[in-house]
Amino acid sequence: DQQVKQNSPSLSVQEGRISILNCDYTNSMFDYFLWYKKYPAEGPTFLISISSIKDKNEDGRFTVFLNKSAKHLSLHIVPSQPGDSAVYFCAASGNAGNMLTFGGGTRLMVKP
Amino acid sequence: DSGVTQTPKHLITATGQRVTLRCSPRSGDLSVYWYQQSLDQGLQFLIQYYNGEERAKGNILERFSAQQFPDLHSELNLSSLELGDSALYFCASSVVGGINYGYTFGSGTRLTVV
Repeated sequence: DQQVKQNSPSLSVQEGRISILNCDYTNSMFDYFLWYKKYPAEGPTFLISISSIKDKNEDGRFTVFLNKSAKHLSLHIVPSQPGDSAVYFCAASGNAGNMLTFGGGTRLMVKP
Repeated sequence: DSGVTQTPKHLITATGQRVTLRCSPRSGDLSVYWYQQSLDQGLQFLIQYYNGEERAKGNILERFSAQQFPDLHSELNLSSLELGDSALYFCASSVVGGINYGYTFGSGTRLTVV
């Protein structure tokens, strides 16, 4: 039972354009959502998060949108840069400090 | 350097053997989490320890066990290894209640069972 799904295994975008990565969840008890970025041979690193009391959180080029009614969140990267090429995981938690449930990841390729 | 140290980085072993993976959490973090990432799969939660006590259990096989020591480092023991246990094993640590930053991950241990 996959509670967090990333239905696009890969995404290719031109440098300077917007990258949109999507994530769906099924567990209505999730109230905290995070995005992680992973480069090869490294562990995932935290990128941005959002609490269920918000519908948008922005940090520089990265914005996460949360649609609770649709149980959907998305990560927007604008403008996309070649260094953004990595695997992106969304994750969800039932409460802060609790274990995270991860999606399967989306491989983003930003072409120069 | 994330501050979470995992050793060894690579491990190659035969089926039926037993291995121990080690994790030193970031300074000040009391919680340690273990995750498994099989080929092209997401991260599957195995187990969490908080200040030496088991806090939560995920899809951890009975052949696997873990513990967290008084100095807060943790070990994941994998026994009777099978080919399907080949994966990346990540350790992460967090300050309980660290809402904004989730976990800090180590760089992982790549286990290959032959």
